[in-house]
Amino acid sequence: NFMLTQPHSVSESPGKTVTISCTRSSGSIASYYVQWYQQRPGSSPTTVIYEDNQRPSGVPYRFSGSIDSSSNSASLTISGLQTEDEADYYCQSYDTSNPHVVFGGGTKLTVL
Amino acid sequence: QVQLVESGGGVVQPGRSLRLSCAASGFTFSLFGMHWVRQAPGKGLEWVAVTSYDESNKYYIDSVKGRFTISRDNSKNRLYLQMNSLRPEDTAVYYCAKEHYESSITYYMDVWGQGTTVTVSS
Repeated sequence: NFMLTQPHSVSESPGKTVTISCTRSSGSIASYYVQWYQQRPGSSPTTVIYEDNQRPSGVPYRFSGSIDSSSNSASLTISGLQTEDEADYYCQSYDTSNPHVVFGGGTKLTVL
Repeated sequence: QVQLVESGGGVVQPGRSLRLSCAASGFTFSLFGMHWVRQAPGKGLEWVAVTSYDESNKYYIDSVKGRFTISRDNSKNRLYLQMNSLRPEDTAVYYCAKEHYESSITYYMDVWGQGTTVTVSS
């Protein structure tokens, strides 16, 4: 089984840009789609990015996703940070050879 | 609108059983795969299990294989998680979540319920 590794926490000022990384331990990051979920305190997760770089309707253009095969990682970038972006962010991917889903450990974003 | 409402959580002693339920509305339940995901207190998300729309494919995380069973009743628009031989480490909020695409498991969960809390303690 593989792992997805995220930084435990990141912080940035309002209006700035932050990038959260998600590194896959084995298997190609490009072979299996990556999703990103936002979870505010006391709430259920919601999708901000799916299939590596797609934004669900209603998610601001400030949110973008990408993958980098050279580092076997995915990234979530949030530009024009707002205080409402403060939340935990989880990357998620899967494996089909032994079908299962893996979440990253989560990154706490602080907007200060 | 699409809605998922979990129920059935509670406090249970180690070794006992519990069945969680997830009531779905606002979409054609019988066409979509469904997942259970859990979150231990103060911890991250952990996927538990998935069933295809017709129950022909079911997959589980290793730590619950042989103890938990995912099932569904498409006539009632309900998803279930039968949890047997419960352990303290199963303590978590359990979420049901819907697959994004019809008729296939792509592991993208687009809608989540509000969760139900399971506490395993003597």
